[in-house]
Amino acid sequence: KQEVTQIPAALSVPEGENLVLNCSFTDSAIYNLQWFRQDPGKGLTSLLLIQSSQREQTSGRLNASLDKSSGRSTLYIAASQPGDSATYLCAVSGGGADGLTFGKGTHLIIQP
Amino acid sequence: SAVISQKPSRDICQRGTSLTIQCQVDSQVTMMFWYRQQPGQSLTLIATANQGSEATYESGFVIDKFPISRPNLTFSTLTVSNMSPEDSSIYLCSVDDHYGYTFGSGTRLTVV
Repeated sequence: KQEVTQIPAALSVPEGENLVLNCSFTDSAIYNLQWFRQDPGKGLTSLLLIQSSQREQTSGRLNASLDKSSGRSTLYIAASQPGDSATYLCAVSGGGADGLTFGKGTHLIIQP
Repeated sequence: SAVISQKPSRDICQRGTSLTIQCQVDSQVTMMFWYRQQPGQSLTLIATANQGSEATYESGFVIDKFPISRPNLTFSTLTVSNMSPEDSSIYLCSVDDHYGYTFGSGTRLTVV
């Protein structure tokens, strides 16, 4: 059974810092990996999707990498802003009807 | 990517009653997924719903408690039956539209 772990569970940094969120998964036979953010009491917003054949994806200040063989992904946030404060979730899919397996998330606070 | 309309956004229900959650997608999709997010926890897949067939439930979830309908390729409902306070959670529907997984805005359920 796939298990996804996210480290750290919580992170508080001053505005402007670059930071890295980590995600690991136990079964490397994934179809893709997706990073989401969730604001309190809200649904999920997709940030980046990495297909299993890809090594990284970038969107604005966000960069996600994938090392499928070692079962790891990182989300890099450059020049953090208070608006980046949210819970960041990593999820992997085995494809087809498998749906997503989620980590428990990293609760991020960016201090003004 | 697909747009999902989910309702209700929140509800407070008496124990022993049932609540039906609806998700409408703006495009035809083969599979729809239903997740539960318990307080302070990450998302757990409840079931996968295909049009024209019975939903497939994950371990720990049963059809009598969480009946699902999928009458066409753009619509699905999840019913939470005979509710108890332990059912208080956020329920979310999701689709895979080949741009990754997209989620509805969620239904925050409180059972009293």
